[in-house]
Amino acid sequence: SQQGEEDPQALSIQEGENATMNCSYKTSINNLQWYRQNSGRGLVHLILIRSNEREKHSGRLRVTLDTSKKSSSLLITASRAADTASYFCATGGSGGYNKLIFGAGTRLAVHP
Amino acid sequence: GAVVSQHPSWVICKSGTSVKIECRSLDFQATTMFWYRQFPKQSLMLMATSNEGSKATYEQGVEKDKFLINHASLTLSTLTVTSAHPEDSSFYICSAEGIRTDTQYFGPGTRLTVL
Repeated sequence: SQQGEEDPQALSIQEGENATMNCSYKTSINNLQWYRQNSGRGLVHLILIRSNEREKHSGRLRVTLDTSKKSSSLLITASRAADTASYFCATGGSGGYNKLIFGAGTRLAVHP
Repeated sequence: GAVVSQHPSWVICKSGTSVKIECRSLDFQATTMFWYRQFPKQSLMLMATSNEGSKATYEQGVEKDKFLINHASLTLSTLTVTSAHPEDSSFYICSAEGIRTDTQYFGPGTRLTVL
């Protein structure tokens, strides 16, 4: 079953604007990961944030994690048309191997 | 580094036939591989977890006799859809987790169409 819920489900912005996507989850986690998927393709790993971390940066990406609210956000700054894709958060469990449970995803469209 | 391949990238088959999909970690050893399916415009649903040398662990609601998983080596896992039916048509994606890492690396996916 899916654990995460993401909002918005769809986001349409202009190039240069920032895009913020949110993810909420239900159970305790070991880590939370964000992935990007271009239409009909595989997933590209963007960033992993552990449960004891609050914020992480990677290039134009900024991820925050609030374990008290069981939520995370992904911020893409200065968006580009090439950022158009679906973005998924996935939570990794706290026991054994790292089984990921995916959120519903946000479809981002960046217009030139 | 950390490349995962899948073969084939797409397959069309007749109802009742079996289809095998391969997932390989090309430049690292993967003790654990995962199989997901994804319907159009939906998220990934975990089907099963495959550990090298042992039986796969299936998620609730996934028929293990229909979706056979074999993880015979540290770089290869296979998913066989047996007696495929049109409702099995989907995008199947595998991922591999390296030793001592929490990051899963995903394959490019296999689109299965059952006529």
